[in-house]
Amino acid sequence: DAGITQSPRHKVTETGTPVTLRCHQTENHRYMYWYRQDPGHGLRLIHYSYGVKDTDKGEVSDGYSVSRSKTEDFLLTLESATSSQTSVYFCAISEGRRNTEAFFGQGTRLTVV
Amino acid sequence: TQLLEQSPQFLSIQEGENLTVYCNSSSVFSSLQWYRQEPGEGPVLLVTVVTGGEVKKLKRLTFQFGDARKDSSLHITAAQTGDTGLYLCAGRYNNNDMRFGAGTRLTVKP
Repeated sequence: DAGITQSPRHKVTETGTPVTLRCHQTENHRYMYWYRQDPGHGLRLIHYSYGVKDTDKGEVSDGYSVSRSKTEDFLLTLESATSSQTSVYFCAISEGRRNTEAFFGQGTRLTVV
Repeated sequence: TQLLEQSPQFLSIQEGENLTVYCNSSSVFSSLQWYRQEPGEGPVLLVTVVTGGEVKKLKRLTFQFGDARKDSSLHITAAQTGDTGLYLCAGRYNNNDMRFGAGTRLTVKP
């Protein structure tokens, strides 16, 4: 299994509170991605990173920010959580060449009440 | 609107039957991948197709990439209960932006 760890695995938080999800990899892969998965929508890209301090927005980036200060860590922050951000969040890593595999973490189930 | 449209969204068949699922887009991709996801787990790669018209076989699974690199299909021959799962296609752009379809949830009944 690829060395990719998401934390926490489960979290319940209140509307309006800040939340940070962490993705840690031990593979030294250049690319890291954050997705959310909701019924009927599959995986939707929130943000991705192509190197330390290099990030770009995905298709559903509003309400989310990311940071990557080290190769191995990619943080996803919800500045002020809303109920619409209740979802399962997946982190993925990739070496970056177009035909290489993306490896996924186990997911974080976030509930905003 | 989903960038990649997968059909059907749900499919329930008997063991031994054949099936095909589709992944269509108006965008051209540098490569297209198929993943399978089990409940409570992240997706796992099945195959990557890169060249237009490419066909790849993985035991009972056959994957095809369209000539224009905008669409793909996955065909399963003689489905087994172990094939049950969520099948996702993912298109990759040259900048390594990676987008997924909504998935096909396959149930194979004994």
